[in-house]
Amino acid sequence: GENVEQHPSTLSVQEGDSAVIKCTYSDSASNYFPWYKQELGKRPQLIIDIRSNVGEKKDQRIAVTLNKTAKHFSLHITETQPEDSAVYFCAAVSGGGADGLTFGKGTHLIIQP
Amino acid sequence: NAGVTQTPKFQVLKTGQSMTLQCAQDMNHNSMYWYRQDPGMGLRLIYYSASEGTTDKGEVPNGYNVSRLNKREFSLRLESAAPSQTSVYFCASRRAGAYNSPLHFGNGTRLTVT
Repeated sequence: GENVEQHPSTLSVQEGDSAVIKCTYSDSASNYFPWYKQELGKRPQLIIDIRSNVGEKKDQRIAVTLNKTAKHFSLHITETQPEDSAVYFCAAVSGGGADGLTFGKGTHLIIQP
Repeated sequence: NAGVTQTPKFQVLKTGQSMTLQCAQDMNHNSMYWYRQDPGMGLRLIYYSASEGTTDKGEVPNGYNVSRLNKREFSLRLESAAPSQTSVYFCASRRAGAYNSPLHFGNGTRLTVT
């Protein structure tokens, strides 16, 4: 089955700086890569996603890049703000995805004022 | 439109007790999932139901059973709770047949087994 590795487990950045979270996956058949944000005590919510036929996608301060050859994808957050503090999860879906998403272990992003 | 609704929000059990976690979605999704979340372990799939009438094991199914009661409802049962089952449980659903359909999560159930 799919295996997703996520790094770092904790990331502390100054407010206004950029943050980058990286994930690798093992199944070359994986074709969809969503990112979820989970605030303390709340449910994970989708913030951005990318399909395997796209190399980069951007939504305001958030962008995701995908390198299919190397089997890794990254989340980039620019001009970080206090409300960006949360746990971020990457995930991968292979094939039809009937068996759901395989998640990375999460990155706790801390925005220092 | 409530999305995915889970009950209860909190539960404390003694070792050996049983309970059922309830989940219902109103988005007409075919696929439903149960995940558990533990510190440092991310979200791990317990069981899933790709469509009404089918259920399959995920990564960590031991100690759990599920029932897909109808298209809307997917319950998770702990027959004899153990302290290792202390966790936060999330139900989720997604549209079937589209690989890029996102997961929609419920608000979670925080379970403590003493």
